[in-house]
Amino acid sequence: GAGVSQTPSNKVTEKGKYVELRCDPISGHTALYWYRQSLGQGPEFLIYFQGTGAADDSGLPNDRFFAVRPEGSVSTLKIQRTERGDSAVYLCASSLNAGDNGVAFFGQGTRLTVV
Amino acid sequence: GENVEQHPSTLSVQEGDSAVIKCTYSDSASNYFPWYKQELGKGPQLIIDIRSNVGEKKDQRIAVTLNKTAKHFSLHITETQPEDSAVYFCAASSPLFGNEKLTFGTGTRLTIIP
Repeated sequence: GAGVSQTPSNKVTEKGKYVELRCDPISGHTALYWYRQSLGQGPEFLIYFQGTGAADDSGLPNDRFFAVRPEGSVSTLKIQRTERGDSAVYLCASSLNAGDNGVAFFGQGTRLTVV
Repeated sequence: GENVEQHPSTLSVQEGDSAVIKCTYSDSASNYFPWYKQELGKGPQLIIDIRSNVGEKKDQRIAVTLNKTAKHFSLHITETQPEDSAVYFCAASSPLFGNEKLTFGTGTRLTIIP
């Protein structure tokens, strides 16, 4: 596709449930990032992939959060035992190469609501 | 880690006037400073960026200036139009914390008054 695609666009889940959020990066982009944006705030870094490997996962808040990118393209962010505090917009971005200094193109985000 | 502060949090300007948004950063090693525009229900869109080896960059009505000594950078929008209304975010990245990790400001909600 022409841009970064994220699905679903909205997700409502009950507290304690497991959710998966999907990101399709721009074709050919080797770097992929996940950010989280709370209401009224700027995006906060979660994890960065270069190819299939997580090069930097220092932003993941705790071990309930996990992300994979098994074939170096599509990525899935997984959240276990969701809590109300996990409610936010989860943004995915991609860039052509590592070391692009963050020339990242963002998707429209997945709005996660934990009730 | 890096800390980016942005102000003002809200800004209203008359159509046709200029708008200026300012950001400061804490890490003197930061070397890349993008600006993103975010419209309601959409992801951030890169509008302009600047690297630490230049002091100013311009793209039509949008310009960014960087003062490395003072560790601040600013976004300037001239001849504002209603479609400029959005939330604008500044960001910075540092090789010390990984060039790929952007630290964002808290955003400025810009409203253009017709």
